[in-house]
Amino acid sequence: QKEVEQDPGPLSVPEGAIVSLNCTYSNSAFQYFMWYRQYSRKGPELLMYTYSSGNKEDGRFTAQVDKSSKYISLFIRDSQPSDSATYLCAMSHGQAGTALIFGKGTTLSVSS
Amino acid sequence: EPEVTQTPSHQVTQMGQEVILRCVPISNHLYFYWYRQILGQKVEFLVSFYNNEISEKSEIFDDQFSVERPDGSNFTLKIRSTKLEDSAMYFCASSAQGGPDTQYFGPGTRLTVL
Repeated sequence: QKEVEQDPGPLSVPEGAIVSLNCTYSNSAFQYFMWYRQYSRKGPELLMYTYSSGNKEDGRFTAQVDKSSKYISLFIRDSQPSDSATYLCAMSHGQAGTALIFGKGTTLSVSS
Repeated sequence: EPEVTQTPSHQVTQMGQEVILRCVPISNHLYFYWYRQILGQKVEFLVSFYNNEISEKSEIFDDQFSVERPDGSNFTLKIRSTKLEDSAMYFCASSAQGGPDTQYFGPGTRLTVL
């Protein structure tokens, strides 16, 4: 079983839609959960991070972690064409210095 | 806003040659990392570095790879004898000491081995 699984999509939505992106994982030792956005041939850009279970909101973005189900989500409200990118989930066991384990990424396309 | 920078943006080399990829982490960060992403595949961890020592490394980071902090600002990844399968995007990242493990990535170096 792969450590982090993420549906690669592609996911196509109209402008203004609510987008739900998800990852599952197998390692219960993961404590930190991140979402990165990556544009084509660019570096991952940190969007949000969450420690342990719960919700975190930042503008149009909401991150959710359910450790009991080993499931994390990123919701994008009022999606914009500029949100079109690949979204990567990433996780780690501990604090600074530990490896991030990435999902394969979901490619999102928002049409105007 | 401070950011991680990497040079060169694209490096082409012949199989068997040595390459050095360079990174300037965010200035007040103390943890440094290298990751790679083969086209169409996941971002994979290579190595983390703190206080002039390797903190953690993956199975990918074998004897062909080495890292160095040659001065107060640069962080380098050296591949001694490149193979075709080393062709990938290489990302440098850095994070601050303590707190959550929020790693900030550079734009990457595209390495092409011919």
